[in-house]
Amino acid sequence: KQEVTQIPAALSVPEGENLVLNCSFTDSAIYNLQWFRQDPGKGLTSLLLIQSSQREQTSGRLNASLDKSSGRSTLYIAASQPGDSATYLCAPPRGFYFGSGTKLNVKP
Amino acid sequence: DGGITQSPKYLFRKEGQNVTLSCEQNLNHDAMYWYRQDPGQGLRLIYYSQIVNDFQKGDIAEGYSVSREKKESFPLTVTSAQKNPTAFYLCASSIGPLELNEQFFGPGTRLTVL
Repeated sequence: KQEVTQIPAALSVPEGENLVLNCSFTDSAIYNLQWFRQDPGKGLTSLLLIQSSQREQTSGRLNASLDKSSGRSTLYIAASQPGDSATYLCAPPRGFYFGSGTKLNVKP
Repeated sequence: DGGITQSPKYLFRKEGQNVTLSCEQNLNHDAMYWYRQDPGQGLRLIYYSQIVNDFQKGDIAEGYSVSREKKESFPLTVTSAQKNPTAFYLCASSIGPLELNEQFFGPGTRLTVL
């Protein structure tokens, strides 16, 4: 069974900081990995999908990398804004297993 | 607009009642999924369906049932056998197997047992 760990569990930063969220998983089968954002009481919004043949994917201020050999992915958020405050979840290969997420608070 | 809809947004159930949560998608996706989310925890898979008239149990299927009679619909029934059903339920879909495709989520249904 896939084990997924996200570190840190919570993070509070002042506006403008660059930050890194980590996701590690035990099954490094060659499938894609998806990062999501969840606002309180809402569903998940897809942020980035990294295909198995890629090592990273970028969308605006977000950059996600995938290292299948080490079972790790990182989500880099540049120039954080208060609107980035949410819980961020990763879904590694096979996509059925999610970490508990990193709860991000960006202070104005 | 294409997307996934879930209804109702909030649902209250009395002890011993069965309730059905609706999930509809107009994305023409073959695969659909049901997850449960408890406070401070990640999502756990209840059931999934990769094609019409076929579905498989996930990690926590006990006390739940599903049907997939139409491609666009994947209702979840929470039965009285589910001992602790209070949770946030999320439906998702993908165009094909998750190994190769992006997963999209609905807005969720919050179920509370009174």
